[in-house]
Amino acid sequence: DAKTTQPPSMDCAEGRAANLPCNHSTISGNEYVYWYRQIHSQGPQYIIHGLKNNETNEMASLIITEDRKSSTLILPHATLRDTAVYYCIVRVARSQGNLIFGKGTKLSVKP
Amino acid sequence: NAGVTQTPKFRILKIGQSMTLQCTQDMNHNYMYWYRQDPGMGLKLIYYSVGAGITDKGEVPNGYNVSRSTTEDFPLRLELAAPSQTSVYFCASSLPGTGGPGDQPQHFGDGTRLSIL
Repeated sequence: DAKTTQPPSMDCAEGRAANLPCNHSTISGNEYVYWYRQIHSQGPQYIIHGLKNNETNEMASLIITEDRKSSTLILPHATLRDTAVYYCIVRVARSQGNLIFGKGTKLSVKP
Repeated sequence: NAGVTQTPKFRILKIGQSMTLQCTQDMNHNYMYWYRQDPGMGLKLIYYSVGAGITDKGEVPNGYNVSRSTTEDFPLRLELAAPSQTSVYFCASSLPGTGGPGDQPQHFGDGTRLSIL
């Protein structure tokens, strides 16, 4: 199974870009990279996903390296409401198809 | 739009009691999932369903049962509650994807916080 490695915590100043890295060196060719976040006491929230091209939506941008072994989630202008645990997930290519949520990165946005 | 609705939000059970956690979604999603999240940890998949009448085990199914009689509802049953089942339970749903369950973004409810004493 492809596994992910994320730093346990990061800080970011309010209004600045938050760049959250993820390593997934064993990813296989048909596996997508997903990002979710979980604000305290709430259910996880989908942010963005991609296969090999960079992706952007109203919440964030996802940059995937050419070899697909790592990716970066970018929140362009972080606000205090973006303080959350961010999960980088690679879809397991099995019949079960479950998303494996690791421990994620705790992002703290500070004023 | 209500999205995914879970009830109850909180519950305390005694060891050996049983209960059903309710989950309803109004997005007409075929796929539904149950996860548990222990303190300070990520989510673990308990059961999932790809449609009415079809369910399958996830990573941690022991001690739980599910049923899926309608597209909207996916209840999770604990038959003999044990302290190890103290956790926060999340229900999620998604559209079908070309790669199977988990392929499409999942929409989560706000969770049920369950304590077993």
